Amino acid sequence: DAGVTQSPTHLIKTRGQHVTLRCSPISGHKSVSWYQQVLGQGPQFIFQYYEKEERGRGNFPDRFSARQFPNYSSELNVNALLLGDSALYLCASSLEGTASNQPQHFGDGTRLSIL
Amino acid sequence: AQSVTQPDIHITVSEGASLELRCNYSYGATPYLFWYVQSPGQGLQLLLKYFSGDTLVQGIKGFEAEFKRSQSSFNLRKPSVHWSDAAEYFCAVGPPSGNTPLVFGKGTRLSVIA
Repeated sequence: DAGVTQSPTHLIKTRGQHVTLRCSPISGHKSVSWYQQVLGQGPQFIFQYYEKEERGRGNFPDRFSARQFPNYSSELNVNALLLGDSALYLCASSLEGTASNQPQHFGDGTRLSIL
Repeated sequence: AQSVTQPDIHITVSEGASLELRCNYSYGATPYLFWYVQSPGQGLQLLLKYFSGDTLVQGIKGFEAEFKRSQSSFNLRKPSVHWSDAAEYFCAVGPPSGNTPLVFGKGTRLSVIA
């Protein structure tokens, strides 16, 4: 079975632009979470979706938004890009629910570079 | 607020030597505890987790970790390191209930020398 897939793998944008990152969870997984990993840091939680509803939001500005589709895939949107948004964006899926005892399976991430 | 501290930014060990990566957490109650590994250009892979019960947990790739409540620690160990273990290692905590997401440490980069 395919793991969590993210697209694109790399992306270069300039300040002020917007970007859409995509994530397909493992088949059968209903929960998707997004994390931002700045170089040299651990992943930082952005959003969690379960059954197409937002179940958690991290400490990120409103420029960040996300949604989950009926097939459980997800998009992360970032508007008005800043240099500080340069990071690896990770998507993780889990089978059921949002409790932390649900093992999260991570994709390889999208490397976003802002010039 | 929950926090995770990994005191060692970078560790270098010789192949075949033993390894211990440190992790300390700050949490109101005993959290769920995790160790993840990240190879260059890849996502995170779960090595092991602790929810309750036996404080010594076994994971994949020959890793184990010991939960010590009195020290708020969850150190990762491996008796004999292989060159393929070179990677970034992250400790994370999560709540035993509710929807609060995982909180990760800043990671420890492991280098393995011949």
